[in-house]
Amino acid sequence: ETGVTQSPTHLIKTRGQQVTLRCSSQSGHNTVSWYQQALGQGPQFIFQYYREEENGRGNFPPRFSGLQFPNYSSELNVNALELDDSALYLCASSFPGSDEQYFGPGTRLTVT
Amino acid sequence: EDQVTQSPEALRLQEGESSSLNCSYTVSGLRGLFWYRQDPGKGPEFLFTLYSAGEEKEKERLKATLTKKESFLHITAPKPEDSATYLCAVQEGSNYKLTFGKGTLLTVNP
Repeated sequence: ETGVTQSPTHLIKTRGQQVTLRCSSQSGHNTVSWYQQALGQGPQFIFQYYREEENGRGNFPPRFSGLQFPNYSSELNVNALELDDSALYLCASSFPGSDEQYFGPGTRLTVT
Repeated sequence: EDQVTQSPEALRLQEGESSSLNCSYTVSGLRGLFWYRQDPGKGPEFLFTLYSAGEEKEKERLKATLTKKESFLHITAPKPEDSATYLCAVQEGSNYKLTFGKGTLLTVNP
């Protein structure tokens, strides 16, 4: 049990729509990262937030955006959904000064 | 660009048959190498962090080792409940991003 929760568990959207995924970290985890995991692949880094500011981004277009809130929760927003956005979306959080990232159970997004 | 290659892609063992999983990496300035276990449809579960060549860590039937170019996850006398995908990831320098390999799917038959 990592103490990291995500909602919803599953989601089905239509191409062109927008989606918001949510993550709640453990109290005190001030860093949160989001990853996309396609079927049969390892997770790919989308971006990281530290103290409510974006602290690094992977090779994802601007239609992927995020927010981090003071209560250790965060959001991943994806605009103009494409079929290839279908994946498991994972958030991971860390204690200050720790390298270890603890993952939530993920949100399975299907785009039709 | 950081690269992580895991082999084999899939491994099928009989219960009690020990083996090793490999993770080869290319990174400029390794900050840490991480092993995770992932069950189907779930998030990765943290297992180990290794920081320097020669370091070893153990947990139950698992032992992780690190050299300058690769890491091994040794599984001793595995049980069916060890069946999962094992993911390796590297972290570079001051960057907190994890770069993952594709994973090794381990199946342990009773």
